[in-house]
Amino acid sequence: NAGVMQNPRHLVRRRGQEARLRCSPMKGHSHVYWYRQLPEEGLKFMVYLQKENIIDESGMPKERFSAEFPKEGPSILRIQQVVRGDSAAYFCATALGGTGSSDEQFFGPGTRLTVL
Amino acid sequence: SQKIEQNSEALNIQEGKTATLTCNYTNYSPAYLQWYRQDPGRGPVFLLLIRENEKEKRKERLKVTFDTTLKQSLFHITASQPADSATYLCAGGSTLTFGKGTMLLVSP
Repeated sequence: NAGVMQNPRHLVRRRGQEARLRCSPMKGHSHVYWYRQLPEEGLKFMVYLQKENIIDESGMPKERFSAEFPKEGPSILRIQQVVRGDSAAYFCATALGGTGSSDEQFFGPGTRLTVL
Repeated sequence: SQKIEQNSEALNIQEGKTATLTCNYTNYSPAYLQWYRQDPGRGPVFLLLIRENEKEKRKERLKVTFDTTLKQSLFHITASQPADSATYLCAGGSTLTFGKGTMLLVSP
């Protein structure tokens, strides 16, 4: 069984460009979570999605950030007009169950975004 | 807002000793807490989950306790090995609030 896959592993963007981060869940997992980890900081929840639905986006900045999990294909975290402060590691995690479930979350290897 | 706090200072211990890491939570009552291990440049890996009605949980050399009175979870690694060196994260809540993690360094 392949684990959670994220690509690209490293992404370099100039200020003002768009960043697209992809997450392919483990087989059978329909719950996807995105987290951001800044240097010396803990993981911060951004958004929780199920197929074709955003369930909780309370951790996501209101502007420039969006996420989707279409019926087919990976989940995408999109950051428009990136700024230097967006530089971080972005992790996705997937689970069998969703919010309220005690299912463990399986994390991908992360995408390290660097904004020049 | 709900908070998970872990000792930010690195914990240095000698091989063979027991490592004990602390996790405190404030402003909420999680139904369960989870512990993850994170190595540099990698995603967290799930280790153990303990529910609020469980006092203690074990898995091989790992032991976790959950004290709802103290609002605290302790994570123990017995007979520690250099390979246990990593950052250990405590997490709780419905959309996993994570602590910043405690770095454990086990020297031979």
